[in-house]
Amino acid sequence: KAGVTQTPRYLIKTRGQQVTLSCSPISGHRSVSWYQQTPGQGLQFLFEYFSETQRNKGNFPGRFSGRQFSNSRSEMNVSTLELGDSALYLCASSLLSHSYEQYFGPGTRLTVT
Amino acid sequence: DQQVKQNSPSLSVQEGRISILNCDYTNSMFDYFLWYKKYPAEGPTFLISISSIKDKNEDGRFTVFLNKSAKHLSLHIVPSQPGDSAVYFCAASARNNAGNMLTFGGGTRLMVKP
Repeated sequence: KAGVTQTPRYLIKTRGQQVTLSCSPISGHRSVSWYQQTPGQGLQFLFEYFSETQRNKGNFPGRFSGRQFSNSRSEMNVSTLELGDSALYLCASSLLSHSYEQYFGPGTRLTVT
Repeated sequence: DQQVKQNSPSLSVQEGRISILNCDYTNSMFDYFLWYKKYPAEGPTFLISISSIKDKNEDGRFTVFLNKSAKHLSLHIVPSQPGDSAVYFCAASARNNAGNMLTFGGGTRLMVKP
């Protein structure tokens, strides 16, 4: 069974631009979560989607948004990029609600210049 | 306010010896705990988990211990192997969450020397 895939793997953007990252969960998984990893803050929860509905949202500004499609694929969008948004963005999928164990993709490395 | 803390940023052990990675938490609502391993340029890989109704869970060379009264958990790796060298994250989840939200510690870099 294929794992979680994320595209693109690397991205360089300029401050003020917007970016969209994509995540395809493991086949059959319906929950997709997004995390941001930075050297200073570690792994921080962004939001989670289940059956196209956002169920949880972390403490991030409204510039960070996401959505999930009917095939469980998910996208996250960051508008008006800031230098501090440079990070590794990780997507994780799990089978059901409250599955606890989440399976991570390789991440998208975003660099904002 | 860090609800999950890994106070040791790094740990070095000799191959064949035991590695003990520690994690502390403050939120008493956490009822499920997980350990993830992360290699550079890869996403975290699920390693082992434990429910708050247990105090020990074992899977091969990996054992997780949970001390609820101390709000402390530890991961034991015996025997340690060079391939275990990676960053280890502990994570916690609370049943009253609407969904699957994990709170992570800052990670501990384990180096196993041959």
